Amino acid sequence: SAVISQKPSRDICQRGTSLTIQCQVDSQVTMMFWYRQQPGQSLTLIATANQGSEATYESGFVIDKFPISRPNLTFSTLTVSNMSPEDSSIYLCSVEDRSSYEQYFGPGTRLTVT
Amino acid sequence: RKEVEQDPGPFNVPEGATVAFNCTYSNSASQSFFWYRQDCRKEPKLLMSVYSSGNEDGRFTAQLNRASQYISLLIRDSKLSDSATYLCVVTDGDYKLSFGAGTTVTVRA
Repeated sequence: SAVISQKPSRDICQRGTSLTIQCQVDSQVTMMFWYRQQPGQSLTLIATANQGSEATYESGFVIDKFPISRPNLTFSTLTVSNMSPEDSSIYLCSVEDRSSYEQYFGPGTRLTVT
Repeated sequence: RKEVEQDPGPFNVPEGATVAFNCTYSNSASQSFFWYRQDCRKEPKLLMSVYSSGNEDGRFTAQLNRASQYISLLIRDSKLSDSATYLCVVTDGDYKLSFGAGTTVTVRA
């Protein structure tokens, strides 16, 4: 499976500011995914990021709030914009093994908005 | 109705016991099924894929019942290190994973 790293691992941010989360994979992958896991809940897909095209957002998530970049096949960023306390969550990136549909997750970014 | 439903537990079992739990899914067209394990404050990690014929990996056995639309996970000879939340994950063949809310297992000494 791919080795995935995320930066930062955690952050405490003030309301109204933005945070950019980086996700790095040790191999080239076509699709990268961004998830959110709110306290005590399971994972919710935010968007899918393909290299060279606009990200595809799931219902309830919009580009203005969660802009995503995918400049190459090993890297992606997710920005959480104009943050509010409701954005406090763990944000995880993942990649898929296309042959098996198995997905592998990065260690996550724990965000607290005050 | 949620796409994937799990008994949240917690299942509190002694070391050496067997524990089993199910997950139901609503989409009959679902193609692939997985169990992930998530430790406290960590990312989910793939435990095992679930195949139509059922499969076993050491002390872990997964079963799929397509007719009744559920999958199960059985853990034999529980270890303290098995304490975690087990996430049932289903996909209809594309990249979108549907996650259950998780079943918490606590193994006590």
